[in-house]
Amino acid sequence: EVNLVESGGDLIEPGGSLRLSCAASGFTFSAEWMHWVRQAPGKGLEWVSRIDTDGSGTSYADSVQGRFIISRDNAKNTLYLQMNSLRAEDTAVYFCARDRPGPQFYMDVWGKGTTVTVSS
Amino acid sequence: DIQMTQSPSSVSASVGDTVTITCRASQGISRWLGWYQQKPGKAPKLLIYDASTLQSGVPSRFSGSEAGTEFTLTISSLQPEDFATYYCQQGDSYPLSFGGGTKVEIK
Repeated sequence: EVNLVESGGDLIEPGGSLRLSCAASGFTFSAEWMHWVRQAPGKGLEWVSRIDTDGSGTSYADSVQGRFIISRDNAKNTLYLQMNSLRAEDTAVYFCARDRPGPQFYMDVWGKGTTVTVSS
Repeated sequence: DIQMTQSPSSVSASVGDTVTITCRASQGISRWLGWYQQKPGKAPKLLIYDASTLQSGVPSRFSGSEAGTEFTLTISSLQPEDFATYYCQQGDSYPLSFGGGTKVEIK
């Protein structure tokens, strides 16, 4: 069964750092692009970042560019999101998602999410 | 960056009704548009990609269409499990972007 499980969410003070993890199983992780998407409380979905199969290509939303770093360890079937200089507006549920195989960019498998709260 | 404008923000409907949700892109995205369903406390689920292609396992009462930069999700014969929030997402270029969401509520 294809599965994604996020972890690492926590309550963190503004300006702090946090690393999220996403453990993948049930598919060939090293062959798929991956994404992070977030959802602030009571708000809509916001795409955050993506990474290609070997980690050589990444993209970020303007709102996190320069503060967040996406990476992956294909030997461990794990996706990461290093979050630095955290702000109150980064408070959200963070989902990892698999890029649907194909030329365009959709997310066909999602984890349940992990909650990040940025507050003093 | 491409902006996605979704309407309405909410709609009230009854079981058996047909519901139509619209999404407009700020620039051309060809047919690279996806639709997702999200229930409270759950992760989103991909319903449709490339504007009109049903994801595997999605019931045929869901359909999508496009006309230029305007895209439509239609839910025919609404079922109790369809009450949820729906989002469009452009799959054309980075940064990816979602519409603001449409909540389908029980009348």
